[in-house]
Amino acid sequence: AQSVSQHNHHVILSEAASLELGCNYSYGGTVNLFWYVQYPGQHLQLLLKYFSGDPLVKGIKGFEAEFIKSKFSFNLRKPSVQWSDTAEYFCAVIGGYQKVTFGTGTKLQVIP
Amino acid sequence: NAGVTQTPKFQVLKTGQSMTLQCAQDMNHEYMSWYRQDPGMGLRLIHYSVGAGITDQGEVPNGYNVSRSTTEDFPLRLLSAAPSQTSVYFCASRRDGNQPQHFGDGTRLSIL
Repeated sequence: AQSVSQHNHHVILSEAASLELGCNYSYGGTVNLFWYVQYPGQHLQLLLKYFSGDPLVKGIKGFEAEFIKSKFSFNLRKPSVQWSDTAEYFCAVIGGYQKVTFGTGTKLQVIP
Repeated sequence: NAGVTQTPKFQVLKTGQSMTLQCAQDMNHEYMSWYRQDPGMGLRLIHYSVGAGITDQGEVPNGYNVSRSTTEDFPLRLLSAAPSQTSVYFCASRRDGNQPQHFGDGTRLSIL
């Protein structure tokens, strides 16, 4: 069965620190990969997506993610976080039968 | 474009009551889904639809019904509300099976 793991449940960083959130998936076939962000009290919004091609994808607000097929990973990165990046981040994969599976989310708290 | 519209935004029910959560999208998307979001559990798929007249169960379908009579609308019915159904419910749509999802603002439902 297809699954997504986000190992960091809660991350606390100071402003200007670098961010890396882990995402690993299990599915042996071709996948489409996504990162969504949910600001407090809001709905999920797409940060970035990977379908094919360059495994380093850039999204909105300075975020990027790297697809490493051999590690089944799609980690999210940002060189310097801001207080406004405080939110919950969800990794998602579309694999077999176009089924979407979400990770359990990582709450990021950025301290000014 | 309104995107995905959910109503109501908040609702309090008593155990045993029934109600319908409304979801409408104006993007002519074929795929629509209902999720519930609970702390520490990410998003769990309740029901989904790949087009008008076609619905299927997700991972947590018990206690919920859906129908898809038009492309635009995908209501979620709680048949007999239980406290375990207290949650935030999100409706989402996507153009096809490989595209990212567009989410509504959510419905916060409390069952007493």
